[in-house]
Amino acid sequence: DTGVSQDPRHKITKRGQNVTFRCDPISEHNRLYWYRQTLGQGPEFLTYFQNEAQLEKSRLLSDRFSAERPKGSFSTLEIQRTEQGDSAMYLCASSQRGTSTDNEQFFGPGTRLTVL
Amino acid sequence: AQKITQTQPGMFVQEKEAVTLDCTYDTSDPSYGLFWYKQPSSGEMIFLIYQGSYDQQNATEGRYSLNFQKARKSANLVISASQLGDSAMYFCAMREGTNAGNMLTFGGGTRLMVKP
Repeated sequence: DTGVSQDPRHKITKRGQNVTFRCDPISEHNRLYWYRQTLGQGPEFLTYFQNEAQLEKSRLLSDRFSAERPKGSFSTLEIQRTEQGDSAMYLCASSQRGTSTDNEQFFGPGTRLTVL
Repeated sequence: AQKITQTQPGMFVQEKEAVTLDCTYDTSDPSYGLFWYKQPSSGEMIFLIYQGSYDQQNATEGRYSLNFQKARKSANLVISASQLGDSAMYFCAMREGTNAGNMLTFGGGTRLMVKP
Protein backbone atom coordinates (compact mmCIF):
# COMPACT_ATOMS: atom_id res chain seq x y z
CA ASP A 1 0.00 0.00 0.00
CA THR A 2 0.78 3.33 -0.68
CA GLY A 3 -0.22 5.40 2.27
CA VAL A 4 2.02 7.86 4.07
CA SER A 5 4.67 6.08 6.09
CA GLN A 6 6.82 7.38 8.93
CA ASP A 7 9.89 5.98 10.59
CA PRO A 8 10.50 5.33 13.40
CA ARG A 9 7.09 4.93 15.01
CA HIS A 10 8.54 5.49 18.47
CA LYS A 11 11.72 7.20 19.64
CA ILE A 12 13.01 7.57 23.17
CA THR A 13 16.00 9.82 23.63
CA LYS A 14 17.84 11.66 26.34
CA ARG A 15 17.71 15.41 26.65
CA GLY A 16 20.37 17.06 24.55
CA GLN A 17 20.56 14.36 21.90
CA ASN A 18 19.70 14.88 18.23
CA VAL A 19 16.92 12.92 16.55
CA THR A 20 15.83 12.55 12.95
CA PHE A 21 12.49 11.35 11.64
CA ARG A 22 11.61 10.29 8.13
CA CYS A 23 8.37 10.62 6.19
CA ASP A 24 7.57 8.93 2.89
CA PRO A 25 4.49 10.54 1.32
CA ILE A 26 2.09 8.93 -1.10
CA SER A 27 4.20 8.55 -4.20
CA GLU A 28 2.51 10.99 -6.57
CA HIS A 29 1.90 13.67 -3.93
CA ASN A 30 3.86 16.88 -4.38
CA ARG A 31 2.89 18.51 -1.09
CA LEU A 32 4.21 17.39 2.28
CA TYR A 33 3.40 18.73 5.74
CA TRP A 34 4.79 18.26 9.23
CA TYR A 35 2.61 18.72 12.33
CA ARG A 36 3.27 18.27 16.03
CA GLN A 37 0.65 16.94 18.42
CA THR A 38 1.07 17.06 22.20
CA LEU A 39 -1.04 14.94 24.51
CA GLY A 40 -4.67 16.00 24.62
CA GLN A 41 -4.29 18.65 21.93
CA GLY A 42 -4.95 18.95 18.24
CA PRO A 43 -2.07 18.86 15.77
CA GLU A 44 -0.12 22.09 15.21
CA PHE A 45 1.42 22.97 11.88
CA LEU A 46 5.21 23.02 11.68
CA THR A 47 6.18 23.29 8.02
CA TYR A 48 5.11 22.60 4.45
CA PHE A 49 6.90 21.60 1.24
CA GLN A 50 5.78 21.76 -2.33
CA ASN A 51 8.12 19.43 -4.17
CA GLU A 52 11.54 20.22 -2.71
CA ALA A 53 10.76 23.82 -1.77
CA GLN A 54 9.95 24.62 1.84
CA LEU A 55 7.19 27.19 1.42
CA GLU A 56 5.88 27.75 4.95
CA LYS A 57 7.36 27.49 8.41
CA SER A 58 5.57 27.98 11.71
CA ARG A 59 7.05 30.07 14.49
CA LEU A 60 6.92 26.80 16.43
CA LEU A 61 9.81 25.63 14.29
CA SER A 62 12.67 26.96 16.38
CA ASP A 63 16.25 26.99 15.13
CA ARG A 64 16.75 23.57 16.71
CA PHE A 65 14.35 22.12 14.14
CA SER A 66 15.20 21.61 10.50
CA ALA A 67 13.26 19.89 7.77
CA GLU A 68 14.34 18.86 4.31
CA ARG A 69 12.85 17.29 1.24
CA PRO A 70 15.89 17.09 -1.02
CA LYS A 71 14.43 15.36 -4.05
CA GLY A 72 10.81 16.24 -3.60
CA SER A 73 9.97 12.75 -2.38
CA PHE A 74 10.68 11.73 1.23
CA SER A 75 11.28 14.29 3.95
CA THR A 76 13.30 14.36 7.15
CA LEU A 77 12.68 16.36 10.31
CA GLU A 78 15.66 16.80 12.61
CA ILE A 79 15.55 18.10 16.15
CA GLN A 80 18.87 19.11 17.63
CA ARG A 81 19.63 19.31 21.36
CA THR A 82 16.26 17.84 22.28
CA GLU A 83 14.37 19.21 25.28
CA GLN A 84 11.66 17.56 27.35
CA GLY A 85 9.14 19.95 25.81
CA ASP A 86 9.81 18.38 22.44
CA SER A 87 8.05 15.21 23.59
CA ALA A 88 5.09 14.84 21.25
CA MET A 89 3.68 12.95 18.30
CA TYR A 90 5.16 14.20 15.01
CA LEU A 91 2.73 13.73 12.16
CA CYS A 92 3.46 13.88 8.46
CA ALA A 93 0.80 14.42 5.80
CA SER A 94 0.80 14.68 2.03
CA SER A 95 -1.53 15.92 -0.68
CA GLN A 96 -1.54 16.34 -4.43
CA ARG A 97 -2.37 19.67 -6.02
CA GLY A 98 -4.84 19.70 -8.86
CA THR A 99 -6.62 16.46 -8.16
CA SER A 100 -10.14 15.79 -7.01
CA THR A 101 -8.78 15.09 -3.54
CA ASP A 102 -6.42 18.04 -3.26
CA ASN A 103 -8.47 19.37 -0.39
CA GLU A 104 -7.50 16.36 1.66
CA GLN A 105 -4.27 15.86 3.52
CA PHE A 106 -3.47 12.18 4.04
CA PHE A 107 -1.75 11.58 7.36
CA GLY A 108 0.84 9.02 8.34
CA PRO A 109 0.81 7.05 11.60
CA GLY A 110 3.15 9.50 13.32
CA THR A 111 6.40 9.24 15.26
CA ARG A 112 6.01 9.45 19.00
CA LEU A 113 9.03 11.14 20.59
CA THR A 114 9.78 10.87 24.29
CA VAL A 115 12.61 12.98 25.67
CA LEU A 116 13.86 11.83 29.08
CA ALA B 1 -8.45 34.28 19.62
CA GLN B 2 -8.84 30.61 18.87
CA LYS B 3 -9.41 29.96 15.19
CA ILE B 4 -11.14 26.62 15.80
CA THR B 5 -13.13 25.93 18.96
CA GLN B 6 -14.49 22.57 19.99
CA THR B 7 -16.36 23.07 23.25
CA GLN B 8 -17.09 19.43 24.06
CA PRO B 9 -14.04 17.69 25.54
CA GLY B 10 -15.99 14.41 25.73
CA MET B 11 -19.27 13.02 24.52
CA PHE B 12 -21.17 9.80 25.14
CA VAL B 13 -23.65 8.36 22.67
CA GLN B 14 -25.66 5.18 22.68
CA GLU B 15 -24.90 2.76 19.89
CA LYS B 16 -27.19 3.27 16.85
CA GLU B 17 -28.12 6.80 17.88
CA ALA B 18 -27.02 10.00 16.15
CA VAL B 19 -24.57 12.45 17.70
CA THR B 20 -23.51 16.02 16.89
CA LEU B 21 -19.99 17.25 17.56
CA ASP B 22 -19.70 21.02 17.72
CA CYS B 23 -17.16 23.20 15.94
CA THR B 24 -17.01 26.97 15.59
CA TYR B 25 -14.38 28.83 13.63
CA ASP B 26 -13.02 32.32 13.25
CA THR B 27 -11.64 33.78 10.04
CA SER B 28 -11.84 36.98 8.06
CA ASP B 29 -10.87 35.24 4.82
CA PRO B 30 -13.89 34.78 2.55
CA SER B 31 -12.39 31.61 1.11
CA TYR B 32 -11.73 28.73 3.47
CA GLY B 33 -12.26 25.03 3.92
CA LEU B 34 -13.44 23.10 6.92
CA PHE B 35 -12.45 19.52 7.68
CA TRP B 36 -13.23 16.82 10.18
CA TYR B 37 -10.72 14.13 11.07
CA LYS B 38 -11.06 11.05 13.27
CA GLN B 39 -8.13 9.88 15.39
CA PRO B 40 -8.52 6.43 16.93
CA SER B 41 -6.25 5.25 19.72
CA SER B 42 -3.77 4.00 17.12
CA GLY B 43 -2.96 7.66 16.42
CA GLU B 44 -3.53 7.95 12.69
CA MET B 45 -5.62 10.91 11.49
CA ILE B 46 -8.43 9.73 9.22
CA PHE B 47 -10.13 12.25 6.94
CA LEU B 48 -13.93 12.19 7.25
CA ILE B 49 -15.49 15.14 5.44
CA TYR B 50 -14.77 18.50 3.81
CA GLN B 51 -16.86 21.68 3.37
CA GLY B 52 -15.78 24.63 1.27
CA SER B 53 -16.88 28.12 2.25
CA TYR B 54 -18.61 28.63 -1.09
CA ASP B 55 -20.33 25.26 -1.17
CA GLN B 56 -24.07 25.76 -1.30
CA GLN B 57 -25.01 22.43 0.17
CA ASN B 58 -23.93 20.71 3.35
CA ALA B 59 -21.35 18.01 2.76
CA THR B 60 -22.27 14.38 3.33
CA GLU B 61 -20.13 11.23 3.30
CA GLY B 62 -21.95 8.07 4.25
CA ARG B 63 -22.94 8.30 7.92
CA TYR B 64 -21.17 11.65 8.28
CA SER B 65 -22.72 15.00 7.48
CA LEU B 66 -21.54 18.50 8.14
CA ASN B 67 -24.07 21.04 9.39
CA PHE B 68 -22.55 24.20 7.92
CA GLN B 69 -24.00 27.46 9.24
CA LYS B 70 -21.88 30.16 7.65
CA ALA B 71 -23.43 33.16 9.39
CA ARG B 72 -22.88 31.55 12.76
CA LYS B 73 -19.43 30.30 11.73
CA SER B 74 -20.21 26.79 12.81
CA ALA B 75 -19.43 23.46 11.15
CA ASN B 76 -20.85 20.73 13.30
CA LEU B 77 -20.27 17.07 12.47
CA VAL B 78 -23.27 14.77 12.63
CA ILE B 79 -22.67 11.03 12.87
CA SER B 80 -25.78 8.96 12.27
CA ALA B 81 -26.34 5.43 13.56
CA SER B 82 -23.27 5.41 15.83
CA GLN B 83 -21.16 2.29 15.91
CA LEU B 84 -18.74 1.05 18.57
CA GLY B 85 -15.91 1.67 16.13
CA ASP B 86 -16.77 5.37 16.09
CA SER B 87 -15.22 5.74 19.55
CA ALA B 88 -12.24 8.03 18.96
CA MET B 89 -11.01 11.63 19.09
CA TYR B 90 -12.57 13.91 16.51
CA PHE B 91 -10.85 17.06 15.29
CA CYS B 92 -12.30 19.97 13.37
CA ALA B 93 -9.81 21.87 11.20
CA MET B 94 -9.75 24.87 8.89
CA ARG B 95 -7.67 25.88 5.89
CA GLU B 96 -7.74 29.59 5.10
CA GLY B 97 -7.29 31.02 1.63
CA THR B 98 -7.68 29.66 -1.85
CA ASN B 99 -4.39 27.80 -1.99
CA ALA B 100 -5.12 24.19 -1.23
CA GLY B 101 -1.55 23.89 0.00
CA ASN B 102 -2.18 26.04 3.03
CA MET B 103 -1.76 24.55 6.46
CA LEU B 104 -4.60 23.17 8.54
CA THR B 105 -5.45 24.73 11.91
CA PHE B 106 -6.99 22.20 14.28
CA GLY B 107 -9.28 22.51 17.26
CA GLY B 108 -8.63 20.82 20.56
CA GLY B 109 -10.77 17.81 19.73
CA THR B 110 -13.74 15.96 21.17
CA ARG B 111 -13.48 12.44 22.54
CA LEU B 112 -16.50 10.42 21.48
CA MET B 113 -17.40 7.29 23.39
CA VAL B 114 -20.07 4.98 21.99
CA LYS B 115 -21.90 2.89 24.57
CA PRO B 116 -23.16 -0.60 23.66
